[in-house]
Amino acid sequence: GESVGLHLPTLSVQEGDNSIINCAYSNSASDYFIWYKQESGKGPQFIIDIRSNMDKRQGQRVTVLLNKTVKHLSLQIAATQPGDSAVYFCAEIKQGGKLIFGQGTELSVKP
Amino acid sequence: GAGVSQSPSNKVTEKGKDVELRCDPISGHTALYWYRQRLGQGLEFLIYFQGNSAPDKSGLPSDRFSAERTGESVSTLTIQRTQQEDSAVYLCASSSRRAGSTDTQYFGPGTRLTVL
Repeated sequence: GESVGLHLPTLSVQEGDNSIINCAYSNSASDYFIWYKQESGKGPQFIIDIRSNMDKRQGQRVTVLLNKTVKHLSLQIAATQPGDSAVYFCAEIKQGGKLIFGQGTELSVKP
Repeated sequence: GAGVSQSPSNKVTEKGKDVELRCDPISGHTALYWYRQRLGQGLEFLIYFQGNSAPDKSGLPSDRFSAERTGESVSTLTIQRTQQEDSAVYLCASSSRRAGSTDTQYFGPGTRLTVL
């Protein structure tokens, strides 16, 4: 069946280092992906999105890479800060706009 | 401007009772979504409203779950005869769904439901 999943459930990085969070998807027809950040006790917060006609998209300190050949998505966070500690979800937009979320990766930033 | 709001923030109920969860979307957003998030898990789609169209109820786990939306405003998610497995955070999101928009969904803080 269709799924959007993450490779690692937890990731620990040193403050100032770059972080890379990975996501695999199985539906090759998927054409729109979003990364969300969820802090404890809060709803998911939009970070960045990418459409399937793109390989890369950059935001402020974040970059999303899409490899359609291997159906892989990654989120790169530059110069990771303590405020980046959260659970990160990739999500696929299905017809009608509903999101299919992966399991999530918990990012922990060590000072 | 104001974001998506949800109430109550926490709800503790006894097994078998009915509960109502409320969502106030961002003003002007035509689309509204409900999701369920179990502890340590991703979000599960429940139901989707878009304008005056028939809602997409494909994610509702059982007939104990229902939701209503009045126009393009408030939505209520109702869970009847609650079970312990209903314990989760229930999240609401809204989006503008305008032509050409990216349909970014903005989430509320969620309602944490605990069924004893």
